[in-house]
Amino acid sequence: GENVEQHPSTLSVQEGDSAVIKCTYSDSASNYFPWYKQELGKGPQLIIDIRSNVGEKKDQRIAVTLNKTAKHFSLHITETQPEDSAVYFCAAVATGTASKLTFGTGTRLQVTL
Amino acid sequence: EAQVTQNPRYLITVTGKKLTVTCSQNMNHEYMSWYRQDPGLGLRQIYYSMNVEVTDKGDVPEGYKVSRKEKRNFPLILESPSPNQTSLYFCASSFSREVQPQHFGDGTRLSIL
Repeated sequence: GENVEQHPSTLSVQEGDSAVIKCTYSDSASNYFPWYKQELGKGPQLIIDIRSNVGEKKDQRIAVTLNKTAKHFSLHITETQPEDSAVYFCAAVATGTASKLTFGTGTRLQVTL
Repeated sequence: EAQVTQNPRYLITVTGKKLTVTCSQNMNHEYMSWYRQDPGLGLRQIYYSMNVEVTDKGDVPEGYKVSRKEKRNFPLILESPSPNQTSLYFCASSFSREVQPQHFGDGTRLSIL
């Protein structure tokens, strides 16, 4: 089955700096890679996703890159703000098959003033 | 408003006392799933349902039951809870297993004493 590794487990950046979270996956059949943000007391919320037919996707300050050959994908947050502080999860799945969404272990991002 | 609603949000109970956590979605989603979240382990799938009356085990199904009698509801049942089931639980839904992303509820924190 799929295995997703996520690094780092904690990340502290100063407001305005960039943050990068990296994930690797094992199943070459995986073709959908969402990123979720979990704030305290809330469920994970999708912030951006990418499918295997593209290499990069951007949404304002957030971007995701995918390297299918190396089987890794990354979340990039630019101009970080205090409200970006949360736990971020990556995930991977081979849609259209019997496989399931497999999550990384999460990254706690702290944006300091 | 599209949402996944879980109840209760918090519960402290004792070993062996049967409990049910309800989950309801208003998006007419076919696919529903239960996860547990434990520190350092990310989100692990307990059970999932592809549609009404169709359920299957996830990664960690031991000690849990589910049912899907209606499309909108997917309750999680702990027939005889034990302390190792103390965790944060999330219900999620999506249009189908093949069509992501999943929408999550806000979680239920269970403490089994």
